[in-house]
Amino acid sequence: QVQLVQSGAEVKKPGSSVKVSCKASGVTFSSYSINWVRQAPGQGLEWMGGIIPISIFGTANYAQRFQGRVTITADESTTTAYMELSSLTSDDTAVYYCASGPGAAFVYWGQGTLVTVSS
Amino acid sequence: QSALTQPASVSGSPGQSITISCTGTSSDVGSYSLVSWYQQHPGKAPKVMIYEVSKRPSGVSNRFSGSKSGHSAFLTISGLQAEDEADYYCCSYAGSSTRLFGTGTKVTVL
Repeated sequence: QVQLVQSGAEVKKPGSSVKVSCKASGVTFSSYSINWVRQAPGQGLEWMGGIIPISIFGTANYAQRFQGRVTITADESTTTAYMELSSLTSDDTAVYYCASGPGAAFVYWGQGTLVTVSS
Repeated sequence: QSALTQPASVSGSPGQSITISCTGTSSDVGSYSLVSWYQQHPGKAPKVMIYEVSKRPSGVSNRFSGSKSGHSAFLTISGLQAEDEADYYCCSYAGSSTRLFGTGTKVTVL
């Protein structure tokens, strides 16, 4: 069965960066795009960006509001995707999920990674 | 891009049917039959309930159904049960490999 396992919780200072990982198993890594979705406390889901994890494609796509601040990459050799968010502020405190699946549907979800930004 | 618009809350009694709307624009819901719906219980990861407007993944109750008309998509839950109490989000493909989520709807079973 498909599993997405994310890295653990992080506490970061304002202005710093965070890098969250998402390891896929039970599926051919290149089968589906890997996407990142975040959820601030008490708020809704927000799509941040995604990548098709095949090196010949390689290009990630990002939501406009995160352009220039988020970088999504994928390592086929370790079947792991990464999301790096820079210039953190308290507004970036959220649970970050990786999600994947056929077509445009997010069938598979990671367990979520809590990122807390605090001085 | 602004989030798709959903009602903040919808409620119903056990056994009743409710419908949640999801309104977008000609750039997202109106242009693609790639709308999905997610159920999220507190502290849990979302779960897909409907994909490609009206398709139900294996294991999802047939009490859940989806449709689309123009720039709006709809999720209907029939035979409402206590376990259906959760937050629901729509999500649409918005071109150029991007996605857009809805604002979310809290469903309360009275």
